[in-house]
Amino acid sequence: DAMVIQNPRYQVTQFGKPVTLSCSQTLNHNVMYWYQQKSSQAPKLLFHYYDKDFNNEADTPDNFQSRRPNTSFCFLDIRSPGLGDAAMYLCATSRDHWAKNYEQYFGPGTRLTVT
Amino acid sequence: KNQVEQSPQSLIILEGKNCTLQCNYTVSPFSNLRWYKQDTGRGPVSLTIMTFSENTKSNGRYTATLDADTKQSSLHITASQLSDSASYICVVSEAGNTPLVFGKGTRLSVIA
Repeated sequence: DAMVIQNPRYQVTQFGKPVTLSCSQTLNHNVMYWYQQKSSQAPKLLFHYYDKDFNNEADTPDNFQSRRPNTSFCFLDIRSPGLGDAAMYLCATSRDHWAKNYEQYFGPGTRLTVT
Repeated sequence: KNQVEQSPQSLIILEGKNCTLQCNYTVSPFSNLRWYKQDTGRGPVSLTIMTFSENTKSNGRYTATLDADTKQSSLHITASQLSDSASYICVVSEAGNTPLVFGKGTRLSVIA
């Protein structure tokens, strides 16, 4: 059974048109992460939630926002997508922080295309 | 700057053959090292997590080694299968609550 679910799997949006990607988890994990992965590159952390505490990476563009209304769901909002935002967006969860050796479970990703 | 370097960048092997992927890191202080398998268009799936005190860890046909002194790790795949074709990503965790440091991955293609 899927543990980290991302919807949609493929999303096409127009330049400048807001878009929301969603992630849900059945693991009841405290931490949820959003990564951006461009072709042939390593995933890049955008932000993460430890429970309700939001942690934004310093180089994450202001264009990217996130919401976590409850333990199970987390959303990535891109307010005004540019062509450079086309990428795979990966959601991940872990029971606790990475330094504590907890497994990080990734969703299948949402492939975002900006036209 | 904390870095994770993987080699080779890509690799093609025949089905049934063994292969070894390398990972060197400069992350310090070290907490743990992870190997992930990422199929094309999918999210990464964890293969192993190793802490400072672990030298080797196996998961089926995958065996990871860690030398924390030289800051090197390897992933050995035995009797490769076509389904092993994927990117293999080495990820290192720094002690403390800081983001994981990802390598760029090795793209493995197993051909019949």
